[in-house]
Amino acid sequence: GESVGLHLPTLSVQEGDNSIINCAYSNSASDYFIWYKQESGKGPQFIIDIRSNMDKRQGQRVTVLLNKTVKHLSLQIAATQPGDSAVYFCAENSGGTSYGKLTFGQGTILTVHP
Amino acid sequence: NAGVTQTPKFQVLKTGQSMTLQCAQDMNHNSMYWYRQDPGMGLRLIYYSASEGTTDKGEVPNGYNVSRLNKREFSLRLESAAPSQTSVYFCASSLDLGEKLFFGSGTQLSVL
Repeated sequence: GESVGLHLPTLSVQEGDNSIINCAYSNSASDYFIWYKQESGKGPQFIIDIRSNMDKRQGQRVTVLLNKTVKHLSLQIAATQPGDSAVYFCAENSGGTSYGKLTFGQGTILTVHP
Repeated sequence: NAGVTQTPKFQVLKTGQSMTLQCAQDMNHNSMYWYRQDPGMGLRLIYYSASEGTTDKGEVPNGYNVSRLNKREFSLRLESAAPSQTSVYFCASSLDLGEKLFFGSGTQLSVL
């Protein structure tokens, strides 16, 4: 079946740098994408979402970019802080018979060094 | 505003024992979900409830049952626990099916 995957399982950055976390998806019918942050021992926390009729969406220090041509999603974190250290998941809503049932990627571990 | 509340936070069972994981949300959401999270497997959907009075199987429903008790509460039951059910379980809710999920803090379950 189709699934969401991540290019890089780990990412280490210095405090203050910008971080980019990537996600590839294979289902061209997916119309809604979400980024979650999960800190150790906690549940996933919503960061930002984007629908397929958009290419870019910005939040506070975060930007999500969607490239439907190559089926690629990225999360950009500006001025990364130690508190940003966590596992980041992308999720997609595939639509059709899978509508409403988000498919999650494996996750990328982001480590921010002071 | 507590969001999604799960109990218990930790549980150890022996093979064959039964238990129920409780979940409640106070956001007036229509849809609720149960996921399990295993290392290297990501989050996998066990069951979901699109609205009060309905439940449907997700990706990995075998060995589980659910009850949507009312709009606020959605429980997950393990009738006869197996070691393969050792996992972290998350309850989530969304305003409607297909909308962004809000997760509880999880239940870490070990089956010996």
